[in-house]
Parts: sequence; C-alpha cells; structure tokens
Amino acid sequence: EVQLMESGGGLIQPGGSLRLSCAVSGFTFETYAMSWVRQAPGKGLEWVSGISSSGDNTYYAASVKGRFTISRDNSKNTLILQMNSLRAEDTAVYYCAKDGYTVATKFDHWGLGTLVTVSS
Amino acid sequence: DIQMTQSPSSLSASVGDRVTITCRASESISDYLNWYQQKPGKAPKLLIYGASSLHSGVPSRFSGRGSGTDFTLTISSLQPEDFATYYCQQSNRTPLTFGGGTKVEIK
Repeated sequence: EVQLMESGGGLIQPGGSLRLSCAVSGFTFETYAMSWVRQAPGKGLEWVSGISSSGDNTYYAASVKGRFTISRDNSKNTLILQMNSLRAEDTAVYYCAKDGYTVATKFDHWGLGTLVTVSS
Repeated sequence: DIQMTQSPSSLSASVGDRVTITCRASESISDYLNWYQQKPGKAPKLLIYGASSLHSGVPSRFSGRGSGTDFTLTISSLQPEDFATYYCQQSNRTPLTFGGGTKVEIK
C-alpha cells in the first residue's frame, strides 16, 4: 500500500524557516518524481515545487522560488521542503504528492498534509 | 504560466443527476489534463488523467473528455459520496497549475 506522511509543520514567525519532510513507503521511491502542493485555508490547490526521480532537476512556483528548496534522499525514502523567509501568505496545508516517472505527469497518491502557519 | 479556468465555481444537484464541470486552459495543453476530487479536511484524490483515462479504483460514472483548451468532467449519475470539490490541473509544463475548483453541493 502506498503511503506518504508529511511532518514538520507548525507555527512560525514571519521571516522564519521550517523544514518539511515526507516519508514514503509502498513504492519504489527512487523511480518517481515528487511534488509539494499547498492549500491555503478555504482556498484552492497550488503547486509549489517538483523534483525528478534522481533529484537532479527541480522546479518551483514563482511565489516560492529563491525561498524554498526541494530535495530528496532516495536512500531514506524521504522528500524534503526547506522553507526560508516565510511570509503570512505561505500559511497553508502542505501536501506531498507522488508524481509519474517524470515531473508533471499526474499526482496519483497524496499524503494527509501538514499545516504551516506563519504568524507573529 | 498556463491559466486554468473552471466553471461553474459551484453547483447544486440531486442524487442521480448528470453533472458536467468545464475546465478551460489559457493555451493548448493537448491532453495533459488531470481531474481531482477533494472532500473537506481530506487530501485530493486523482480521478482522471490524460484528459480521459480513469484512475485505478475510480467508479465508471466518472468520465473526462477534451483536448487542446477545453475539457469536461462528467458524473453520469451523482451519488451521495460524490459531493465534494473538483479541481482540474494541467500537466503540460511547469509551473503546474490548477483550476479554481468546482464545489458540488446537495440540492
């Protein structure tokens, strides 16, 4: 059974940093691209960042480029999102999602999400 | 960036109704279009990929059509468990973008 479990969310002050993790199981992690998708309270879905299966290629939404860094540890079946210079508008539930063999295929499995609240 | 526009933003329907949701891309995306269902407090679930392919385990009452810029998601006979919000998403190129969502409510 495919499982994705995010962790690392919480309350953080504007300008602060947070590191999200997504632990996966039930599939060959190193074979698939992965993404982070977020959802602000009461709003729609917003793709944040994606990474190729090897980790060599990364992609970002304009709203987070230069502040967020996506990475993966294929030996530990873990996806990471390092978030710096956080803003109030980054407040959202952050989901990790399994993509296809390449970035931008389809998100066929999602984690439960972790809430990030940026507030003073 | 490719803009995705869904309509309507919400609709009311009864069990057994046929429901169609429309998604329009700001430029041609071929058939690189996915549909997701999301219930309150839950993660989205993939319904349709490649504009018309049914994801594993998804009931056959869901179907998708379209190519280029215009796409539809149809629920042939609405069931109680289908009341949710539906999102389209283009996978033609990054940045990946979602439609604003269509909330399907009970009439």
